[in-house]
Amino acid sequence: GQNIDQPTEMTATEGAIVQINCTYQTSGFNGLFWYQQHAGEAPTFLSYNVLDGLEEKGRFSSFLSRSKGYSYLLLKELQMKDSASYLCAVMDSNYQLIWGAGTKLIIKP
Amino acid sequence: ETGVTQTPRHLVMGMTNKKSLKCEQHLGHNAMYWYKQSAKKPLELMFVYSLEERVENNSVPSRFSPECPNSSHLFLHLHTLQPEDSALYLCASSQGGTEVDEQFFGPGTRLTVL
Repeated sequence: GQNIDQPTEMTATEGAIVQINCTYQTSGFNGLFWYQQHAGEAPTFLSYNVLDGLEEKGRFSSFLSRSKGYSYLLLKELQMKDSASYLCAVMDSNYQLIWGAGTKLIIKP
Repeated sequence: ETGVTQTPRHLVMGMTNKKSLKCEQHLGHNAMYWYKQSAKKPLELMFVYSLEERVENNSVPSRFSPECPNSSHLFLHLHTLQPEDSALYLCASSQGGTEVDEQFFGPGTRLTVL
């Protein structure tokens, strides 16, 4: 079966760095997405990785290792507004998105 | 604002009621999706429409009935629901086709079935 694993909840301090991991087992691979979802709001796109390596976009970076079935989202200089759920999703061989359950990130002052 | 709107934002209904959820996208996309989001569970893909044709129906109970009258509008008709159907229902759209593209989500309808 297809499976995406990510931690249920993480806590970090304002100004610090946090890494949210995602491991996957899917039938085929056409890329990995990270989305951010604030409570009561729509998920919004953060990043897309299809090749191994690190993609940097401002305070957020996303890393992919296809051989390990592993990705992480790195958030630097954390701000209170970064408190949200972070969803990992993999596009399989049928171009369908397989979603993880999301990681709730709590930022403390 | 993501360019995808959903109404209503909140809905409470009894098990014998009939109601409809509406989604509209203003992005010129060709594909639209219905997802169910339950607490601490992955997003569940329910239906996919591409160019107004249903291309995916992931074993969804018949009490959920989708309708896509044109590429900008998507409905989810609900009847004789069960309490376990209470969840956040998200609509999304994308360019579509057999390619990798980003999905844009609406804010969702929070459904409570009594």
